[in-house]
Amino acid sequence: GENVEQHPSTLSVQEGDSAVIKCTYSDSASNYFPWYKQELGKRPQLIIDIRSNVGEKKDQRIAVTLNKTAKHFSLHITETQPEDSAVYFCAAKVHTGKLIFGQGTTLQVKP
Amino acid sequence: GAVVSQHPSRVICKSGTSVKIECRSLDFQATTMFWYRQFPKQSLMLMATSNEGSKATYEQGVEKDKFLINHASLTLSTLTVTSAHPEDSSFYICSAAPPSADTQYFGPGTRLTVL
Repeated sequence: GENVEQHPSTLSVQEGDSAVIKCTYSDSASNYFPWYKQELGKRPQLIIDIRSNVGEKKDQRIAVTLNKTAKHFSLHITETQPEDSAVYFCAAKVHTGKLIFGQGTTLQVKP
Repeated sequence: GAVVSQHPSRVICKSGTSVKIECRSLDFQATTMFWYRQFPKQSLMLMATSNEGSKATYEQGVEKDKFLINHASLTLSTLTVTSAHPEDSSFYICSAAPPSADTQYFGPGTRLTVL
């Protein structure tokens, strides 16, 4: 079936450290993988995405890597800041066109 | 980026009543919109895919007669929660993608509380 597994569920880091969140998807036909950041009570906001023809993408402090063979993709945040604290969701676009979301990771960046 | 609006942002209703939530794409046309439900501290669960001019596609376990979806134009989809019960209390969010785009943009969400 269509499934996205996300780990860890919670992550606490010191300001300035790096944070890594990992996801695994099941549909081998998935070709688009976005990452969303959601603050409490707010809408999910797209922070970065990657397509299946690319192995890595970077945008300032945020990077995403994709291993199609293993069906893994990861979010890397470097030099974390308190304002990075939020819930992060990975997602995979399956062959039917819909997004399947991971369970979410609550990131806490301690000052 | 593309803008999606949603109305109302909050609604409180009595058990047994119906509530309509609107989702609009403000600066692009969307043949497809998506409706999600999110319980506290949980992920987004897709309820249904709204298709302009045709019937919505519901996910397994979602009652189509309880969650009525209408996508009457290329910029508007509505979700009506019929005969609402306290267990329907949740955060309902819609999303839409511009034509030929992969990226889905989310509306601000509607917090539904059923008393």
